[in-house]
Amino acid sequence: DAKTTQPNSMESNEEEPVHLPCNHSTISGTDYIHWYRQLPSQGPEYVIHGLTSNVNNRMASLAIAEDRKSSTLILHRATLRDAAVYYCILRDPSGNTPLVFGKGTRLSVIA
Amino acid sequence: IAGITQAPTSQILAAGRRMTLRCTQDMRHNAMYWYRQDLGLGLRLIHYSNTAGTTGKGEVPDGYSVSRANTDDFPLTLASAVPSQTSVYFCASSDTGGWTYNEQFFGPGTRLTVL
Repeated sequence: DAKTTQPNSMESNEEEPVHLPCNHSTISGTDYIHWYRQLPSQGPEYVIHGLTSNVNNRMASLAIAEDRKSSTLILHRATLRDAAVYYCILRDPSGNTPLVFGKGTRLSVIA
Repeated sequence: IAGITQAPTSQILAAGRRMTLRCTQDMRHNAMYWYRQDLGLGLRLIHYSNTAGTTGKGEVPDGYSVSRANTDDFPLTLASAVPSQTSVYFCASSDTGGWTYNEQFFGPGTRLTVL
């Protein structure tokens, strides 16, 4: 799997937008970009995924650069419950391979 | 629907003892996975199974074994525990067939301490 690079940590004020960056300069043409997050003392949970176009769901938005070498997870209004480690993961299109986790970005949300 | 359950929640184990971590899912997912997570690190894949009756090695398989006798259960065994196996263990599953997204669902984890 191609490698992703994320900042170790970020901080946000409550109710403000958060932009979590991910670099994946060696992404293949068919790799999907996935985001998972891990709340304290819990297992990871799915957030969002995309291929080329920007994606929105109830949890977040995913903005993908035109060259696909980077992407940004956007939380529109951070809440204290969004404090977690966010993982950006590349995955082949079959989806049949296990997720490979890096160290992720630890997001702290300040009230 | 319970999703994925793991047992025990936590365990303290003497080095050299045998231990089996249990994982059960009720979603009829064909694929199951075991990860370990050490303090301050991301998850690392130990073993996986794409379907009942088959297993494969992940990134850190040494010292662990798995079996997949049926769809629902995927136990992880430490034949002779060592202190370096102190970690939090997460089981996960996904449906890798058809047109579904193949999201991985994770259990709550088992915290294992080997002394």
